Amino acid sequence: AQRVTQPEKLLSVFKGAPVELKCNYSYSGSPELFWYVQYSRQRLQLLLRHISRESIKGFTADLNKGETSFHLKKPFAQEEDSAMYYCALGGGATNKLIFGTGTLLAVQP
Amino acid sequence: KAGVTQTPRYLIKTRGQQVTLSCSPISGHRSVSWYQQTPGQGLQFLFEYFSETQRNKGNFPGRFSGRQFSNSRSEMNVSTLELGDSALYLCASSSLAQNTEAFFGQGTRLTVV
Repeated sequence: AQRVTQPEKLLSVFKGAPVELKCNYSYSGSPELFWYVQYSRQRLQLLLRHISRESIKGFTADLNKGETSFHLKKPFAQEEDSAMYYCALGGGATNKLIFGTGTLLAVQP
Repeated sequence: KAGVTQTPRYLIKTRGQQVTLSCSPISGHRSVSWYQQTPGQGLQFLFEYFSETQRNKGNFPGRFSGRQFSNSRSEMNVSTLELGDSALYLCASSSLAQNTEAFFGQGTRLTVV
């Protein structure tokens, strides 16, 4: 079965501290992994996807197929990073996404 | 380019009634997906349409249905509403057939009383 697990509901860090949002997945095929973000009063939007292997707003995520993980990392958190972060799993000939339950990142000044 | 537009933004319905929600995708996008968002269950996949064909359906009862028109606009319908159907319903469109970025609408907040 396809499943995405985000173990932390809330992650609170101080500005300048490193951030790691955890995501583990279960999928029998070739996975497509995404991180979506929802800032306060804004729409859900794509932050990054594993296939692009790029850094967006200082965030990176590496797909580890051995550990079935796609953790989101940033070396130095900023207050504007405070938002809800969702890990999502795609794959196959479809745009269907399976979302994790989300992690609320709160960056304290 | 206009974003994904969902109408109406808010709805209040009574148990047993039915409701139709509308989604206009970004111009040129032929893929439309629907999700239900609740505090308890998070974001759950409802259905996906591509070029008027339903390609995937989530684990929801038959009371939930949808369709896509030739202009890619999509509607979803929920019949015999239950209190548990209260949720934010999100629509997303994508430019290509598979594994592409989903652009989300602002959602329709449905309250069933």
